[in-house]
Amino acid sequence: GAVVSQHPSWVICKSGTSVKIECRSLDFQATTMFWYRQFPKQSLMLMATSNEGSKATYEQGVEKDKFLINHASLTLSTLTVTSAHPEDSSFYICSADGTEAFFGQGTRLTVV
Amino acid sequence: GDSVTQMEGPVTLSEEACLTINCTYTATGYPSLFWYVQYPGEGLQLLLKATKADDKGSNKGFEATYRKETTSFHLEKGSVQVSDSAVYFCALSDNSGANSKLTFGKGITLSVRP
Repeated sequence: GAVVSQHPSWVICKSGTSVKIECRSLDFQATTMFWYRQFPKQSLMLMATSNEGSKATYEQGVEKDKFLINHASLTLSTLTVTSAHPEDSSFYICSADGTEAFFGQGTRLTVV
Repeated sequence: GDSVTQMEGPVTLSEEACLTINCTYTATGYPSLFWYVQYPGEGLQLLLKATKADDKGSNKGFEATYRKETTSFHLEKGSVQVSDSAVYFCALSDNSGANSKLTFGKGITLSVRP
Protein backbone atom coordinates (compact mmCIF):
# COMPACT_ATOMS: atom_id res chain seq x y z
CA GLY A 1 0.00 0.00 0.00
CA ALA A 2 0.88 3.66 -0.18
CA VAL A 3 3.30 5.04 2.38
CA VAL A 4 2.99 8.18 4.43
CA SER A 5 6.01 9.20 6.44
CA GLN A 6 5.65 11.45 9.47
CA HIS A 7 8.63 13.03 11.14
CA PRO A 8 9.71 13.22 13.88
CA SER A 9 8.17 10.26 15.66
CA TRP A 10 8.70 11.96 18.99
CA VAL A 11 9.92 15.33 20.18
CA ILE A 12 10.46 17.04 23.51
CA CYS A 13 10.57 20.81 23.55
CA LYS A 14 10.59 23.65 26.04
CA SER A 15 7.58 25.85 26.70
CA GLY A 16 7.46 28.82 24.39
CA THR A 17 9.32 27.20 21.52
CA SER A 18 7.85 26.07 18.21
CA VAL A 19 7.86 22.58 16.80
CA LYS A 20 7.39 21.54 13.18
CA ILE A 21 5.99 18.15 12.21
CA GLU A 22 6.24 16.90 8.63
CA CYS A 23 3.91 14.59 6.78
CA ARG A 24 5.05 13.21 3.42
CA SER A 25 3.31 10.97 0.95
CA LEU A 26 6.17 8.92 -0.45
CA ASP A 27 4.69 7.24 -3.50
CA PHE A 28 1.60 9.20 -4.41
CA GLN A 29 0.41 12.78 -4.63
CA ALA A 30 -2.10 14.05 -2.13
CA THR A 31 -3.95 17.30 -2.69
CA THR A 32 -5.59 16.83 0.68
CA MET A 33 -4.04 15.80 3.96
CA PHE A 34 -5.54 15.77 7.41
CA TRP A 35 -4.11 16.41 10.84
CA TYR A 36 -5.46 14.64 13.91
CA ARG A 37 -4.68 14.89 17.58
CA GLN A 38 -5.13 12.20 20.20
CA PHE A 39 -5.18 12.69 23.93
CA PRO A 40 -4.57 9.68 26.19
CA LYS A 41 -7.53 7.30 26.17
CA GLN A 42 -9.41 9.58 23.78
CA SER A 43 -10.38 9.43 20.15
CA LEU A 44 -8.32 10.84 17.35
CA MET A 45 -9.82 14.29 16.83
CA LEU A 46 -9.62 16.00 13.47
CA MET A 47 -7.80 19.31 13.80
CA ALA A 48 -7.66 20.57 10.26
CA THR A 49 -7.80 19.78 6.58
CA SER A 50 -4.68 20.71 4.67
CA ASN A 51 -5.21 21.62 1.02
CA GLU A 52 -2.31 21.90 -1.39
CA GLY A 53 -1.86 25.45 -2.57
CA SER A 54 -4.54 26.98 -0.39
CA LYS A 55 -5.31 27.74 3.23
CA ALA A 56 -6.05 24.97 5.65
CA THR A 57 -9.55 24.48 7.00
CA TYR A 58 -9.63 24.23 10.78
CA GLU A 59 -12.17 22.42 12.90
CA GLN A 60 -14.13 24.35 15.46
CA GLY A 61 -12.11 25.11 18.56
CA VAL A 62 -8.70 24.68 16.93
CA GLU A 63 -6.57 27.83 17.00
CA LYS A 64 -5.25 28.44 13.51
CA ASP A 65 -2.60 30.86 14.75
CA LYS A 66 -1.25 28.27 17.13
CA PHE A 67 -1.31 25.30 14.79
CA LEU A 68 0.10 26.54 11.50
CA ILE A 69 -0.40 24.26 8.54
CA ASN A 70 1.44 24.55 5.26
CA HIS A 71 0.79 22.30 2.27
CA ALA A 72 3.22 23.69 -0.26
CA SER A 73 3.52 20.62 -2.47
CA LEU A 74 1.51 17.57 -3.42
CA THR A 75 3.65 15.35 -1.20
CA LEU A 76 4.30 17.45 1.89
CA SER A 77 2.20 19.04 4.61
CA THR A 78 3.66 20.54 7.78
CA LEU A 79 2.10 21.30 11.12
CA THR A 80 3.88 23.84 13.29
CA VAL A 81 2.89 24.12 16.92
CA THR A 82 3.82 27.68 17.83
CA SER A 83 4.71 28.86 21.33
CA ALA A 84 4.10 25.39 22.66
CA HIS A 85 2.78 24.87 26.18
CA PRO A 86 2.49 21.70 28.28
CA GLU A 87 -1.20 21.41 27.40
CA ASP A 88 -0.16 20.97 23.76
CA SER A 89 1.53 17.72 24.69
CA SER A 90 -0.26 15.06 22.71
CA PHE A 91 -0.02 12.55 19.89
CA TYR A 92 -0.36 14.15 16.46
CA ILE A 93 -1.05 12.05 13.38
CA CYS A 94 -1.49 12.94 9.75
CA SER A 95 -3.22 11.20 6.91
CA ALA A 96 -3.04 11.66 3.17
CA ASP A 97 -6.07 11.25 0.99
CA GLY A 98 -5.59 8.69 -1.72
CA THR A 99 -7.68 5.72 -2.80
CA GLU A 100 -8.16 5.40 0.92
CA ALA A 101 -6.81 7.21 3.94
CA PHE A 102 -3.11 6.55 4.48
CA PHE A 103 -1.74 7.44 7.89
CA GLY A 104 1.64 8.47 9.16
CA GLN A 105 3.17 6.83 12.20
CA GLY A 106 2.30 9.75 14.43
CA THR A 107 4.36 12.20 16.49
CA ARG A 108 4.48 12.18 20.27
CA LEU A 109 4.98 15.79 21.39
CA THR A 110 5.99 16.51 24.97
CA VAL A 111 6.28 20.12 26.07
CA VAL A 112 8.21 20.66 29.28
CA GLY B 1 -22.50 15.70 14.92
CA ASP B 2 -21.20 12.30 13.97
CA SER B 3 -19.76 10.08 16.67
CA VAL B 4 -18.34 6.60 17.16
CA THR B 5 -18.48 4.66 20.41
CA GLN B 6 -16.23 1.70 21.10
CA MET B 7 -16.33 -0.67 24.02
CA GLU B 8 -13.92 0.06 26.84
CA GLY B 9 -10.62 -1.73 26.91
CA PRO B 10 -8.05 -3.07 27.15
CA VAL B 11 -8.85 -6.61 26.08
CA THR B 12 -6.57 -9.54 26.85
CA LEU B 13 -7.19 -12.92 25.23
CA SER B 14 -5.43 -16.22 24.89
CA GLU B 15 -4.34 -17.37 21.46
CA GLU B 16 -7.15 -19.01 19.45
CA ALA B 17 -9.85 -17.32 21.52
CA CYS B 18 -12.84 -15.65 19.90
CA LEU B 19 -12.84 -11.87 19.58
CA THR B 20 -15.66 -9.35 19.41
CA ILE B 21 -15.04 -5.62 19.68
CA ASN B 22 -18.21 -3.58 19.77
CA CYS B 23 -18.65 -0.38 17.82
CA THR B 24 -21.75 1.77 17.43
CA TYR B 25 -22.14 5.02 15.60
CA THR B 26 -24.30 8.10 15.27
CA ALA B 27 -24.43 9.84 11.94
CA THR B 28 -26.71 11.72 9.62
CA GLY B 29 -27.04 10.32 6.16
CA TYR B 30 -25.30 7.16 5.06
CA PRO B 31 -21.74 6.94 6.32
CA SER B 32 -19.05 4.49 5.35
CA LEU B 33 -17.64 2.48 8.24
CA PHE B 34 -14.08 1.37 8.87
CA TRP B 35 -11.87 -0.56 11.21
CA TYR B 36 -8.27 0.59 11.45
CA VAL B 37 -5.44 -1.23 13.21
CA GLN B 38 -2.29 0.24 14.67
CA TYR B 39 0.54 -2.18 15.38
CA PRO B 40 3.23 -1.09 17.83
CA GLY B 41 5.44 1.60 16.34
CA GLU B 42 3.47 1.85 13.12
CA GLY B 43 0.81 4.10 11.61
CA LEU B 44 -2.87 3.28 11.34
CA GLN B 45 -3.70 0.79 8.62
CA LEU B 46 -7.08 0.10 7.12
CA LEU B 47 -8.21 -3.32 8.25
CA LEU B 48 -11.62 -3.47 6.59
CA LYS B 49 -14.51 -1.31 5.54
CA ALA B 50 -18.16 -1.33 4.52
CA THR B 51 -19.85 1.36 2.51
CA LYS B 52 -23.54 0.51 2.81
CA ALA B 53 -26.02 -1.28 5.00
CA ASP B 54 -25.64 -5.06 5.25
CA ASP B 55 -22.22 -4.97 3.63
CA LYS B 56 -19.64 -7.19 5.30
CA GLY B 57 -16.02 -6.14 5.36
CA SER B 58 -13.40 -8.82 5.87
CA ASN B 59 -9.63 -9.09 5.97
CA LYS B 60 -7.03 -11.25 7.72
CA GLY B 61 -9.76 -13.35 9.33
CA PHE B 62 -11.53 -10.31 10.76
CA GLU B 63 -15.10 -9.47 9.81
CA ALA B 64 -17.57 -6.68 10.49
CA THR B 65 -21.10 -6.19 9.18
CA TYR B 66 -22.70 -2.78 8.64
CA ARG B 67 -25.94 -2.95 10.62
CA LYS B 68 -28.07 0.11 9.98
CA GLU B 69 -30.91 -1.02 12.22
CA THR B 70 -28.64 -1.19 15.25
CA THR B 71 -26.14 1.42 13.99
CA SER B 72 -23.34 -1.01 14.71
CA PHE B 73 -20.17 -2.31 13.08
CA HIS B 74 -18.78 -4.89 15.51
CA LEU B 75 -15.40 -6.43 14.73
CA GLU B 76 -15.12 -10.22 15.03
CA LYS B 77 -12.49 -12.88 14.62
CA GLY B 78 -12.96 -16.54 15.33
CA SER B 79 -9.43 -17.36 16.44
CA VAL B 80 -6.96 -14.62 17.40
CA GLN B 81 -3.21 -14.87 17.13
CA VAL B 82 -0.42 -13.21 19.08
CA SER B 83 0.31 -11.15 15.98
CA ASP B 84 -3.15 -9.57 16.26
CA SER B 85 -2.01 -7.64 19.33
CA ALA B 86 -2.56 -4.01 18.41
CA VAL B 87 -4.84 -1.03 18.90
CA TYR B 88 -8.10 -1.16 16.95
CA PHE B 89 -10.07 1.92 15.94
CA CYS B 90 -13.60 2.04 14.60
CA ALA B 91 -14.29 5.03 12.35
CA LEU B 92 -16.81 6.52 9.99
CA SER B 93 -16.69 8.80 7.00
CA ASP B 94 -19.59 11.00 6.07
CA ASN B 95 -18.84 10.45 2.39
CA SER B 96 -18.42 14.15 1.80
CA GLY B 97 -15.76 13.37 -0.76
CA ALA B 98 -12.52 12.94 1.15
CA ASN B 99 -11.42 9.48 2.23
CA SER B 100 -9.45 10.72 5.18
CA LYS B 101 -11.97 12.93 6.94
CA LEU B 102 -12.85 10.42 9.58
CA THR B 103 -14.58 10.36 12.93
CA PHE B 104 -12.87 7.86 15.22
CA GLY B 105 -13.76 5.91 18.29
CA LYS B 106 -11.36 5.93 21.24
CA GLY B 107 -9.57 2.79 20.16
CA ILE B 108 -9.13 -0.39 22.10
CA THR B 109 -5.92 -2.23 22.88
CA LEU B 110 -5.96 -5.95 22.22
CA SER B 111 -3.28 -8.15 23.77
CA VAL B 112 -3.13 -11.80 22.78
CA ARG B 113 -1.01 -14.06 24.93
CA PRO B 114 0.48 -17.35 23.72
